Amino acid sequence: QVQLVQSGAEVKKPGSSVKVSCKASGGYFSGSSISWVRQAPGQGLEWVGGVIPISGKADYAQKFQGRVTITADKSTTTAFMEVGSLNSEDTAMYYCASTTGSYYNWFDYWGQGTLVIVSA
Amino acid sequence: DVQMTQSPSSLSASVGDTVTITCRASQFISNFLAWYQQKPGGPPRLLIYAASTLQSGVPSRFSGGGSGTHFSLTISSLQPDDVATYYCHKYNSAPLAFGGGTKVEIK
Repeated sequence: QVQLVQSGAEVKKPGSSVKVSCKASGGYFSGSSISWVRQAPGQGLEWVGGVIPISGKADYAQKFQGRVTITADKSTTTAFMEVGSLNSEDTAMYYCASTTGSYYNWFDYWGQGTLVIVSA
Repeated sequence: DVQMTQSPSSLSASVGDTVTITCRASQFISNFLAWYQQKPGGPPRLLIYAASTLQSGVPSRFSGGGSGTHFSLTISSLQPDDVATYYCHKYNSAPLAFGGGTKVEIK
């Protein structure tokens, strides 16, 4: 059974950056993909981007291109998402989600979520 | 990019009713569609993948259908535990996308 454990809540100033981690256990990390999905307060789910650990290739939703960097460390089976130039609209719960198979697929497993608050 | 449009955005039904949620893709996505259930305060839970395949452990009152650009999620005999928000998700290729969600309540 795959388990995804995310880093803790963050409070950041506008203009700063945040890096969130997602530690995977119980599965084959290199044979998966990891995506990041965000949910603003009271809003729906939004795909931010994803990474294929075996190749390191990352893809992003257009609105996040250039401001978000997603990486995967096979040695620690951990995925990371860094968001730069934070603004109040980035205040949200961020989830990591994984698939079975080293390609984008349905999300079998989800992390518990990391709350990021952007406030002056 | 493919846009996913869900309807209705919310619905209220009685226990035992059959409810149907629809999801439309702006381009052909074959059967690369999943459905999730999300309850307040928690992450989404996978219900259906490949448009119509029930995830292990999900009650059989949930079913999915459709292909191409039009899809549906049906809950037969709605139960109080089904109160949640439901999302469709297309995953044929990046960028992935979700529908806007449907909030299901009990009358």
